[in-house]
Amino acid sequence: AQSVTQLGSHVSVSEGALVLLRCNYSSSVPPYLFWYVQYPNQGLQLLLKYTSAATLVKGINGFEAEFKKSETSFHLTKPSAHMSDAAEYFCAVNTGFQKLVFGTGTRLLVSP
Amino acid sequence: DAMVIQNPRYQVTQFGKPVTLSCSQTLNHNVMYWYQQKSSQAPKLLFHYYDKDFNNEADTPDNFQSRRPNTSFCFLDIRSPGLGDAAMYLCATSRDPTGNGYTFGSGTRLTVV
Repeated sequence: AQSVTQLGSHVSVSEGALVLLRCNYSSSVPPYLFWYVQYPNQGLQLLLKYTSAATLVKGINGFEAEFKKSETSFHLTKPSAHMSDAAEYFCAVNTGFQKLVFGTGTRLLVSP
Repeated sequence: DAMVIQNPRYQVTQFGKPVTLSCSQTLNHNVMYWYQQKSSQAPKLLFHYYDKDFNNEADTPDNFQSRRPNTSFCFLDIRSPGLGDAAMYLCATSRDPTGNGYTFGSGTRLTVV
């Protein structure tokens, strides 16, 4: 079964520092992978998605993620954190049966 | 703008009293989904419709039902809400079964008192 694992339930960075949120996947077939952001009491907003085209995927708000098959990883990065980036981030895999399976989420905390 | 709209944003219901959450979409997507997200947890798929075909997840409690009267609307019915059903309920749509164009609504936060 396809799944994703997010390492670290909380990540703290200073404003202006690099953001790195980790996601590893398990899939027997080439996966479709996604990163979503969720602000308090809001729905999920798509940051970016990997669909087997370019391995480096650029998303909104300056985020990007690199698909590394050898490491089964799809880590999310942003060169410089902003206070408005504080939120919950979910990695997800499309199982191919119309279902998204989410990781347990990582809460990003940004301090001034 | 084409979108997925959930009403209401916040819903309070009494223990055991049936409640209905609604979702509408202007994207004309074929597939509509309902996810349950409990506090500090990942969203979990309850069921989905592919056109009029209903697909229930194996571990979705019988207490949860859904209706899709037309392409634009989908409803989540909770027949007898318990305290454990308090959660954020997220509606999503996609263009096709592969999940292209997956779009989420803003969610309805359900409180059971």
